[in-house]
Amino acid sequence: DTEVTQTPKHLVMGMTNKKSLKCEQHMGHRAMYWYKQKAKKPPELMFVYSYEKLSINESVPSRFSPECPNSSLLNLHLHALQPEDSALYLCASSGKGTGGEKLFFGSGTQLSVL
Amino acid sequence: GESVGLHLPTLSVQEGDNSIINCAYSNSASDYFIWYKQESGKGPQFIIDIRSNMDKRQGQRVTVLLNKTVKHLSLQIAATQPGDSAVYFCAENRGQGGSEKLVFGKGTKLTVNP
Repeated sequence: DTEVTQTPKHLVMGMTNKKSLKCEQHMGHRAMYWYKQKAKKPPELMFVYSYEKLSINESVPSRFSPECPNSSLLNLHLHALQPEDSALYLCASSGKGTGGEKLFFGSGTQLSVL
Repeated sequence: GESVGLHLPTLSVQEGDNSIINCAYSNSASDYFIWYKQESGKGPQFIIDIRSNMDKRQGQRVTVLLNKTVKHLSLQIAATQPGDSAVYFCAENRGQGGSEKLVFGKGTKLTVNP
């Protein structure tokens, strides 16, 4: 299994809603990531978890709250988002053997905030 | 191809031609680089990687060249096919201490004309 699975694929939410994005990998990878990608722009790093601990937070607003329940799962909890937070949210994992820096990406969750 | 430091957001080639996509990176301490391909509606897909102790690496129909002197990376695609049409991103690893921190370049949209 060389896949990173993200759910849901699409999400529409209001500014007062609370929702969660989910990510799962079964490659035994030690690190998991959240990236945000606006249209026609490169992915931008948000969070990195290494061995289930938050190791990098790229000064992301607190309305985004990551969680890593175990080594295979990564969540991103969303609360009180703004319309400018509409984007493609990508999950990735890495870290097994030689070339462990190579990130494997999921297909993303396309988020629209109304 | 493009000049160092000048990013071309789009590249159009004829099917069967060779394509060259260029990327300038900023951190001279970066020791690992990856090229990703992103098709519409999908997450970035790994193409090829290279470490800073190498200046060339070849894969199937793809070659990556690294010039550390001018901090320049290029991706060459031989005999370009319509299925190669996508946005191509270079990424450099700025992570330390085991946490990978991949930072993406601006991306080049490759269009292959039949």
